[in-house]
Amino acid sequence: GAVVSQHPSWVICKSGTSVKIECRSLDFQATTMFWYRQFPKQSLMLMATSNEGSKATYEQGVEKDKFLINHASLTLSTLTVTSAHPEDSSFYICSARASGGSADTQYFGPGTRLTVL
Amino acid sequence: GQSLEQPSEVTAVEGAIVQINCTYQTSGFYGLSWYQQHDGGAPTFLSYNALDGLEETGRFSSFLSRSDSYGYLLLQELQMKDSASYFCAVRDPETGGFKTIFGAGTRLFVKA
Repeated sequence: GAVVSQHPSWVICKSGTSVKIECRSLDFQATTMFWYRQFPKQSLMLMATSNEGSKATYEQGVEKDKFLINHASLTLSTLTVTSAHPEDSSFYICSARASGGSADTQYFGPGTRLTVL
Repeated sequence: GQSLEQPSEVTAVEGAIVQINCTYQTSGFYGLSWYQQHDGGAPTFLSYNALDGLEETGRFSSFLSRSDSYGYLLLQELQMKDSASYFCAVRDPETGGFKTIFGAGTRLFVKA
């Protein structure tokens, strides 16, 4: 099946620093990638939709200036958490939909656990 | 808005059968999906039902009744490794099915 990777798998940073998370589709091209945030024992909450070659679409309540998304190619999307604070500590998961694929199947990355001290 | 409801926790013994229910309220419908997520891991796709009836994939089966806005995931011959969270999900009709909305998840505990 399709493989999506994320890097890093975990990161610990100091409050006020920025952290970049990469999401790559390894064996298919993804015109669209989704970024989710998941707090412990909670569901996945969609943060934004990343579109190759255009601006990301953010969900209501998600600060676009804090969570910068860049979808530079058909296989790579990055999420940068700027000026991170402890409340940003969470599990960040990306998913990708193959070009021309149906929306009912998303391929998820392994997730990045962010801890802000 | 769209909403999904599923039990928060289910406990069962190894070798048993367990059913995880999901009811949904959506303004439109593109099908019901199920995902499995182990602690610290990413969700993995299990099944998808667009039409009424039962879909079987090995030990896992998924059922859908569109008239009842209801579906369930059936896990047979439970194994310890099935202990995980299970999410039902629908495609958001307000985005033409583009986005996925996840339920809150059901934590399944399998006991020996």
